[in-house]
Amino acid sequence: GQNIDQPTEMTATEGAIVQINCTYQTSGFNGLFWYQQHAGEAPTFLSYNVLDGLEEKGRFSSFLSRSKGYSYLLLKELQMKDSASYLCAARGGDNNDMRFGAGTRLTVKP
Amino acid sequence: ETGVTQSPTHLIKTRGQQVTLRCSSQSGHNTVSWYQQALGQGPQFIFQYYREEENGRGNFPPRFSGLQFPNYSSELNVNALELDDSALYLCASSLHLVIGRGTGELFFGEGSRLTVL
Repeated sequence: GQNIDQPTEMTATEGAIVQINCTYQTSGFNGLFWYQQHAGEAPTFLSYNVLDGLEEKGRFSSFLSRSKGYSYLLLKELQMKDSASYLCAARGGDNNDMRFGAGTRLTVKP
Repeated sequence: ETGVTQSPTHLIKTRGQQVTLRCSSQSGHNTVSWYQQALGQGPQFIFQYYREEENGRGNFPPRFSGLQFPNYSSELNVNALELDDSALYLCASSLHLVIGRGTGELFFGEGSRLTVL
């Protein structure tokens, strides 16, 4: 089976840095994904990791440790528009499908 | 390049009725996945279709069924609707993952919001 855990809510200040953690368990692991979802909208792709290490993409970075079943999403120079839910997802299992965590609702305050 | 489109965007049904939701995948994508997202929750995997066959299913009862057509578009059918079926239904398309090629990233439609009364 597949199991993905992430914190329910986080709050941070505009201009700061925030790290959203995710732990996962999946057989046949084939990639860890982060998506952003604003209220009432569809999820949009942020990042992908399949090998250990850090992937950087502008203000967003994502890290993966396969041996620990652990990933984090790092958001730098927070802006008000970054207030959203951040979904951690893992691809794997018998059919290589993608399963999501419950999402972390991030609130950025002035 | 057209993105993923879903219809209808909103609909209201009563308990016991049946519903069909439709999805057109992004150009060039051959795999469609359906998710149910309740308010404040993450997307729950319903099933995935590849080559017109179900290729993976989450923990949903048989009254949730689907189809994929030769043009890769897809339908989600839900029979005997229950109040708890009220949710946003998301369709996502992707390329069937081949090791060493692509990421298998999902591209989502805007969803169909179903309310069951």
